[in-house]
Amino acid sequence: QKEVEQNSGPLSVPEGAIASLNCTYSDRVSQSFFWYRQYSGKSPELIMSIYSNGDKEDGRFTAQLNKASQYVSLLIRDSQPSDSATYLCAVDRGSTLGRLYFGRGTQLTVWP
Amino acid sequence: DGGITQSPKYLFRKEGQNVTLSCEQNLNHDAMYWYRQDPGQGLRLIYYSQIVNDFQKGDIAEGYSVSREKKESFPLTVTSAQKNPTAFYLCASSIGQPGELFFGEGSRLTVL
Repeated sequence: QKEVEQNSGPLSVPEGAIASLNCTYSDRVSQSFFWYRQYSGKSPELIMSIYSNGDKEDGRFTAQLNKASQYVSLLIRDSQPSDSATYLCAVDRGSTLGRLYFGRGTQLTVWP
Repeated sequence: DGGITQSPKYLFRKEGQNVTLSCEQNLNHDAMYWYRQDPGQGLRLIYYSQIVNDFQKGDIAEGYSVSREKKESFPLTVTSAQKNPTAFYLCASSIGQPGELFFGEGSRLTVL
């Protein structure tokens, strides 16, 4: 079992819809969870971090964490074509050193 | 502006040659990382450094070497011992919450 699993997609949604991206992880000691966005040919950029169970909202983005189920998700409300990118889920390794496990990413396309 | 500068952006190498990828940051960040990304794959950690003159192997360190003589600089050498070096190489730094990474633009290495 891989440390971090994501739906490979691609996921395609119409403009204005809610895009839902899912991630599961295997290491129960993980405490920190991140979503990175990567445009084609570019480097990743951090868009959300979440450390506690529940929801965390930042603008159109909501991260959801359920440690008991080892599940983290990202919701993008009012999706825009500019949201079209690959979304990488990353999970810490239970240490404070910043070492992360990355998923393979989910490719999202938002069509007008 | 503060940021991470990676160079070169594109590099072609013949088999058997060593090549060094530069990573310079002016963010005053302590921790720096090198990741490798292959098509359709998650990021994999090569080396990381928490402080000057100290660095640790990541998950795929074989065939790579690094140095951290200055806080601002963390160059990566891809040696001829690396069997499959063609990839997208990403340098990142982190301050504050571990795992909240800031990436450079990346260096794309192709072995001919």
